[in-house]
Amino acid sequence: QKEVEQNSGPLSVPEGAIASLNCTYSDRGSQSFFWYRQYSGKSPELIMFIYSNGDKEDGRFTAQLNKASQYVSLLIRDSQPSDSATYLCAVTGGTGGFKTIFGAGTRLFVKA
Amino acid sequence: GAVVSQHPSRVICKSGTSVKIECRSLDFQATTMFWYRQFPKQSLMLMATSNEGSKATYEQGVEKDKFLINHASLTLSTLTVTSAHPEDSSFYICSAGRGATEAFFGQGTRLTVV
Repeated sequence: QKEVEQNSGPLSVPEGAIASLNCTYSDRGSQSFFWYRQYSGKSPELIMFIYSNGDKEDGRFTAQLNKASQYVSLLIRDSQPSDSATYLCAVTGGTGGFKTIFGAGTRLFVKA
Repeated sequence: GAVVSQHPSRVICKSGTSVKIECRSLDFQATTMFWYRQFPKQSLMLMATSNEGSKATYEQGVEKDKFLINHASLTLSTLTVTSAHPEDSSFYICSAGRGATEAFFGQGTRLTVV
């Protein structure tokens, strides 16, 4: 079992719709959870981080964490073509300590 | 937000030569820096964790004698790819840790070995 799992996609949504990205992790002791956006050929860019169960909203982005289910998600409201990228879920803490473990990423396409 | 500067952004080198990549945290002190490698259409794979003033901790399968890491100060870590071969061609990314769990990425370095 991979430590951090994501559906590779591609996930295709129309402009203005809500994009829902999901991630599960295997280390129950994980403490911090991150969503990064990566455009092709570029370095990852941090979008959001969440530490506690529940929802965290920042603009059009909402991160959701459920530690009991070992599940974290990212919702993008009013999706724009510029949101088209690969979204990486990342987890730190647990047995890995400060080390960040990345998922393989989900490719998102927002159609104009 | 915190700024991490990585140089060079692109480098092409001949097989057998060595390449040095620098990673600097510009506005904060990073006690821990991480080096990742990313092959096309794959996720970031951690190569090593570097702590200031001590030896780097390498992930399984990463040759420490080939990928030399130096973390001489709280703001600078370097990765040297020694005796580079075409299979070392990849996107190398550093990240600098701030506090207990925040990490910020450099711009990445596209290495092509010909």
